[in-house]
Amino acid sequence: NAGVTQTPKFQVLKTGQSMTLQCAQDMNHNSMYWYRQDPGMGLRLIYYSASEGTTDKGEVPNGYNVSRLNKREFSLRLESAAPSQTSVYFCASSVQNSPGGYGYTFGSGTRLTVV
Amino acid sequence: GIQVEQSPPDLILQEGANSTLRCNFSDSVNNLQWFHQNPWGQLINLFYIPSGTKQNGRLSATTVATERYSLLYISSSQTTDSGVYFCAVLYNFNKFYFGSGTKLNVKP
Repeated sequence: NAGVTQTPKFQVLKTGQSMTLQCAQDMNHNSMYWYRQDPGMGLRLIYYSASEGTTDKGEVPNGYNVSRLNKREFSLRLESAAPSQTSVYFCASSVQNSPGGYGYTFGSGTRLTVV
Repeated sequence: GIQVEQSPPDLILQEGANSTLRCNFSDSVNNLQWFHQNPWGQLINLFYIPSGTKQNGRLSATTVATERYSLLYISSSQTTDSGVYFCAVLYNFNKFYFGSGTKLNVKP
């Protein structure tokens, strides 16, 4: 099925552990994004990649790193997890449709708890 | 960055009622989109609407870019409309900034 696939769906980490969240899309979209969603705060952009080979910081990049492995895959890494990183993480991809719209597709999310 | 404010934060409706959700933004934007997050967490793209009015079934949206606001109308609401509605604005051509959402609960 076409779309954005995120793994894992759930994860519990201990403070200081590291992990990588994986995201892949099969829609040939150029741009990919990582967001975090906290209660009452909507979605905040962590990092984005406008195209293969480029990445840039969003609103809340501290504590995270990203890799745009190829056009399909965009991973998010937590090097040393902290309780403040407990959140739901969403990956998204987009393409600019004609006449100027953006087709925006989200993955189903990863619920991360850091204890 | 840009500020995106949505109102009301919470809304309870009886099935069949109509409602209007509002999104205000603090600067000129390249694009605006409305999303619905269902109770299971899935985010669905509703409208791409940088200006003007669009309709899709019982939902319609209007954006007045010169006055920096957008409205989402839900008519004859159904329980399946429950969830959180987000507006997101495209700023600096590649960063979408989300509002904090309107949580809608439609009761049977």
